[in-house]
Amino acid sequence: NAGVTQTPKFQVLKTGQSMTLQCAQDMNHNSMYWYRQDPGMGLRLIYYSASEGTTDKGEVPNGYNVSRLNKREFSLRLESAAPSQTSVYFCASSAGASGQPQHFGDGTRLSIL
Amino acid sequence: DAKTTQPNSMESNEEEPVHLPCNHSTISGTDYIHWYRQLPSQGPEYVIHGLTSNVNNRMASLAIAEDRKSSTLILHRATLRDAAVYYCIPMNSGNTPLVFGKGTRLSVIA
Repeated sequence: NAGVTQTPKFQVLKTGQSMTLQCAQDMNHNSMYWYRQDPGMGLRLIYYSASEGTTDKGEVPNGYNVSRLNKREFSLRLESAAPSQTSVYFCASSAGASGQPQHFGDGTRLSIL
Repeated sequence: DAKTTQPNSMESNEEEPVHLPCNHSTISGTDYIHWYRQLPSQGPEYVIHGLTSNVNNRMASLAIAEDRKSSTLILHRATLRDAAVYYCIPMNSGNTPLVFGKGTRLSVIA
């Protein structure tokens, strides 16, 4: 009963390092999303993929790139990490049809020193 | 996107009903009303959604005002495990991403 799986769960980086956060879903969902959540705040959308082969920017895309590798997998890359990107990152997926709910992973807690 | 207004925090006694209000007066006619909750150190969890009629599921009930400008999430018997931040989110009929506000932090007292 995996649902949405994110790896790694925790990571510490130094400023300027690069890293890719992985996300996979096993629900045959069309749409996938990346959010970030800063302490005491709600989630903010970074990028999303409405269907395989498409990606779109969200509210806070700067400093990030994404790849929809296939229908199951959607990765988020930080090319040159900055302390302002310290956050908890959540991946989500949905069927994509008429108001269907999103299902979230457990998050990746990322600290950049 | 439709704007929502929720109380910052609410408190409930264990085993009592909880009514969590949400005002979404700018909602469009085709927007669904979704509710999610986020337990400490976890990702958001889908609770319930509806369009016009009241909805029930194993977790909660959703009461939608006739004019659809407000809704209320009802937890019939609060437990300590229901302590979380609850988000009310209008969502259109496409696959537009959710837009999270600050939600309502629910505390449950034993």
